[in-house]
Amino acid sequence: QQQVKQSPQSLIVQKGGISIINCAYENTAFDYFPWYQQFPGKGPALLIAIRPDVSEKKEGRFTISFNKSAKQFSLHIMDSQPGDSATYFCAAFSGGSYIPTFGRGTSLIVHP
Amino acid sequence: EAGVTQSPTHLIKTRGQQATLRCSPISGHTSVYWYQQALGLGLQFLLWYDEGEERNRGNFPPRFSGRQFPNYSSELNVNALELEDSALYLCASSWGRDSNQPQHFGDGTRLSIL
Repeated sequence: QQQVKQSPQSLIVQKGGISIINCAYENTAFDYFPWYQQFPGKGPALLIAIRPDVSEKKEGRFTISFNKSAKQFSLHIMDSQPGDSATYFCAAFSGGSYIPTFGRGTSLIVHP
Repeated sequence: EAGVTQSPTHLIKTRGQQATLRCSPISGHTSVYWYQQALGLGLQFLLWYDEGEERNRGNFPPRFSGRQFPNYSSELNVNALELEDSALYLCASSWGRDSNQPQHFGDGTRLSIL
């Protein structure tokens, strides 16, 4: 049972464009939603995270939008750069279990 | 500050053998998590150790086991290796049992089963 559904599986964007990755969840007990960035040969690195009490969080070119009623959250990468080419994972934590559930990942390629 | 370190980087085994993977968490972190990252399946939670105790395990058979040492480092053992065990095994650490604390990942051990 996939509790966090991530889409698209792959994404190709031109340099300077906006990359958008979406995640949807079903478990209303989830209360912490981080995004991870993973480069080839490396482990995932925390990129940005949000809690359900805010609808948007921005850090530099990266923004998380959160829609609690729709149980959806998304990552927006503004002015996408070739160096952003990586695999992105969304995740959701439930405070009761402390174990995150990950989406299956999105492979982003930004063409120069 | 040193990050999460894992060893070995690569490990090649044959079916039926046993594999041991090691992880050293960030200094001060008491929780260690193990994940399996197989191609196309994202990160699958394996085991969680905190303060030397196993706190939770994912939906994996008992031949996946591990332990956490007094210095908070950890071992993952996989017995009776099968071809489908070929994957990247990631270790992560955090301050403790609090979802406010992000998990920091190592670069993984690539386990290949021949």
